[in-house]
Amino acid sequence: DSGVTQTPKHLITATGQRVTLRCSPRSGDLSVYWYQQSLDQGLQFLIQYYNGEERAKGNILERFSAQQFPDLHSELNLSSLELGDSALYFCASSPRTGGVETQYFGPGTRLLVL
Amino acid sequence: AQSVTQPDIHITVSEGASLELRCNYSYGATPYLFWYVQSPGQGLQLLLKYFSGDTLVQGIKGFEAEFKRSQSSFNLRKPSVHWSDAAEYFCAVGVQKLVFGTGTRLLVSP
Repeated sequence: DSGVTQTPKHLITATGQRVTLRCSPRSGDLSVYWYQQSLDQGLQFLIQYYNGEERAKGNILERFSAQQFPDLHSELNLSSLELGDSALYFCASSPRTGGVETQYFGPGTRLLVL
Repeated sequence: AQSVTQPDIHITVSEGASLELRCNYSYGATPYLFWYVQSPGQGLQLLLKYFSGDTLVQGIKGFEAEFKRSQSSFNLRKPSVHWSDAAEYFCAVGVQKLVFGTGTRLLVSP
């Protein structure tokens, strides 16, 4: 158990809908990262937040957004969902930002768009 | 641009045999390298990491990896594989945003 929690574990929804994935980082960690794992794209970095502020952006679609709240939990919002958004979404956390740190991954949220 | 290549999509190893999973990276500066393992339906668990120093790093579950700058490689090894090691293994490089390889699925035969 990494100490990172993600809810829900599974999510099934329809195209065009909007969903919110939630992540609670390890106690004391200030950085949260979101990754997408799909069959065709593999594991891809989406976005990083540090203490409430966006710090790095990867291949995140405009239909996707994220935020980190004062209690440090983070939410990833996916809207206008398409079939191709079906994937496993991971959250990871690390103590700080900048420099090299180990990222600890949550169990993931499996999203199925029908 | 950073990239990671794991040339083997699948590897089958007999239980008790040795294992080596290959990883080659491309990175503009000093590489920070990681190996993660993903069991079916599970998240990613960190096996080991290389930041600097000794090029042979020890990890959990009896795994080790050797960083070879001249070959841009960071291969994962285990001297004796157990059935419970069957999983998918990912090599990654990066500082804040990790770049992952495509993974190697390890199958362990009895």
